[in-house]
Amino acid sequence: AQRVTQPEKLLSVFKGAPVELKCNYSYSGSPELFWYVQYSRQRLQLLLRHISRESIKGFTADLNKGETSFHLKKPFAQEEDSAMYYCALRTGGGNKLTFGTGTQLKVEL
Amino acid sequence: DTGVSQDPRHKITKRGQNVTFRCDPISEHNRLYWYRQTLGQGPEFLTYFQNEAQLEKSRLLSDRFSAERPKGSFSTLEIQRTEQGDSAMYLCASVNPTGYGYTFGSGTRLTVV
Repeated sequence: AQRVTQPEKLLSVFKGAPVELKCNYSYSGSPELFWYVQYSRQRLQLLLRHISRESIKGFTADLNKGETSFHLKKPFAQEEDSAMYYCALRTGGGNKLTFGTGTQLKVEL
Repeated sequence: DTGVSQDPRHKITKRGQNVTFRCDPISEHNRLYWYRQTLGQGPEFLTYFQNEAQLEKSRLLSDRFSAERPKGSFSTLEIQRTEQGDSAMYLCASVNPTGYGYTFGSGTRLTVV
């Protein structure tokens, strides 16, 4: 069965420090991975997906099939990055997502 | 507002009562999803519709849960004989036919007392 693991419930970094939010997955098929973000009092929204290989708000994520990982990275954290981040794995043909438990990122001044 | 709308935002009900939630997706999105999120967990898939057809249901969706999407527009999720374990945030999301990323609603927070 598919599973997404986010080992850190809370990650606290100082402004300007690098950020890495960890995500590991377990899936027998060809994975398609996403990062979703939820800012305080806002809706859950898509941040990025691995297929597009883009940088959004300075964040990037590379799919590593050998390590079954999809870690989210940003070189210099900003205060506005403070939010809840969820890694998600698409399974099957119906766009169904399996989410991790989320990591709360707190950027301190 | 052209986003996904959910109603009500909050619902407090007594154990054993029935509740119904509504989701209005983005009009051109043909796929609609329901997820449930409990404290400290990520969203968990419940069911999804393509137009009016319910194509998949999770094993989490017991017989007390039913979802509909008449005419392929809005959707309702009904929980009968609510239990305290049903307390959660119920999220609706829609996806356009050629897209991949969900557009989520704000959710309905259910508290069963």
